[in-house]
Amino acid sequence: EAGVAQSPRYKIIEKRQSVAFWCNPISGHATLYWYQQILGQGPKLLIQFQNNGVVDDSQLPKDRFSAERLKGVDSTLKIQPAKLEDSAVYLCASSLFYEQYFGPGTRLTVT
Amino acid sequence: AQTVTQSQPEMSVQEAETVTLSCTYDTSESDYYLFWYKQPPSRQMILVIRQEAYKQQNATENRFSVNFQKAAKSFSLKISDSQLGDAAMYFCAYRRYSGGGADGLTFGKGTHLIIQP
Repeated sequence: EAGVAQSPRYKIIEKRQSVAFWCNPISGHATLYWYQQILGQGPKLLIQFQNNGVVDDSQLPKDRFSAERLKGVDSTLKIQPAKLEDSAVYLCASSLFYEQYFGPGTRLTVT
Repeated sequence: AQTVTQSQPEMSVQEAETVTLSCTYDTSESDYYLFWYKQPPSRQMILVIRQEAYKQQNATENRFSVNFQKAAKSFSLKISDSQLGDAAMYFCAYRRYSGGGADGLTFGKGTHLIIQP
């Protein structure tokens, strides 16, 4: 079974620019998550989708971050405009029941 | 809000020895799940072991076992016969029980495990 796919793996941008990350979950997984992992910390949940509806986005900085999950499959996470403190690894995960399967992440560097 | 605390930023163990990683958590829920995840330098989060709070028996997966103390809100991971491939960041994580759904995880800050050959 194919795992969670993410792209790009690395991205370097300047502050105030915009960036988008893409995630393709495991086939059939209804729930999709985006986490932000700042260097030296554990991942922090940004947003959770159930099919194409948002379940929890309480920790998403909505003034600059947005996410969508079209047709309940792929998802994109966008940052506009980026700040220096957005430098982190962005992890996507999907789940069918209780176990979450993680993708390899996208490392974002904002200069 | 739930919190997860890992008080050991780094641990070192000799190959083939046993090491225990500590984790405490805070929650007002009675039903929940606890997890240990491994994150090697490749960044891929890998599930090591899972414990359901309603189960009194401690979970075991081959060389990995947990000591779950619900009253003390403690959830430690024991790795027996440590191998070089066990070197990684280890994260303790909490998820509340939500029926058929699957809430997001709350992670600790992680413990960097070093295996000395």
